[in-house]
Amino acid sequence: EIVLTQSPGTLSLSPGERATLSCRASQSVSSNYLAWYQQKPGLAPRLLISDASSRATGIPDRFSGSGSGTDFTLTISRLEPEDFAVYYCQQYGYSSGTFGQGTKVEIK
Amino acid sequence: EVQLVESGGGLVQPGGSLRLSCAASGFTFSSYAMNWVRQAPGKGLEWVSGITGSGGSTYYVDSVKGRFTISRDSSKNTLYLQMNSLRAEDTAIYYCAKGRTSTSSCLTDWGQGTLVTVSS
Repeated sequence: EIVLTQSPGTLSLSPGERATLSCRASQSVSSNYLAWYQQKPGLAPRLLISDASSRATGIPDRFSGSGSGTDFTLTISRLEPEDFAVYYCQQYGYSSGTFGQGTKVEIK
Repeated sequence: EVQLVESGGGLVQPGGSLRLSCAASGFTFSSYAMNWVRQAPGKGLEWVSGITGSGGSTYYVDSVKGRFTISRDSSKNTLYLQMNSLRAEDTAIYYCAKGRTSTSSCLTDWGQGTLVTVSS
């Protein structure tokens, strides 16, 4: 079973700053089947990035994903007020869909 | 527009059973894998189960194997999760989510969730 470890647990930043979130897998992720989701309080998650680097429909280009193998990164180039939320990575190979524990991006 | 509407949640005693439903619309139901994801109060997301578009293959997280059964009815465009032998640690919001393809658990669309509380 693949374990995903996200860091940091909490990221305190100001609007306009750059956010860099990390997701590390315990073994290589099959075909870079790695997704990122955003979740705001009281709402369902929303898909941001799939296949490690492909933005989902309607996602602004300030969101970008990178990485391969066991190390992946979500970058938000300039934080907007609506970007403060919890972000999860997920691997979706190996007939499962394991999530990381999440990174909270909060207003500093 | 894709719509996923969960129902069937509620309060159940430990050891009891519950069946969740997810009514789907706005896409060709049988062409996409469907999944259940849960979130315990104040905690992160946990993928629970998935089923391929054809219904021919099903997958579960280890903690629910032998207790939960995922199924789908393409004539009703509905996904189900039969939950037996429920435990306190199964308490969570359960989300239904659509896969990106007929076999994928990359989750492109989500329902609003239904709350399951296991308590005496």
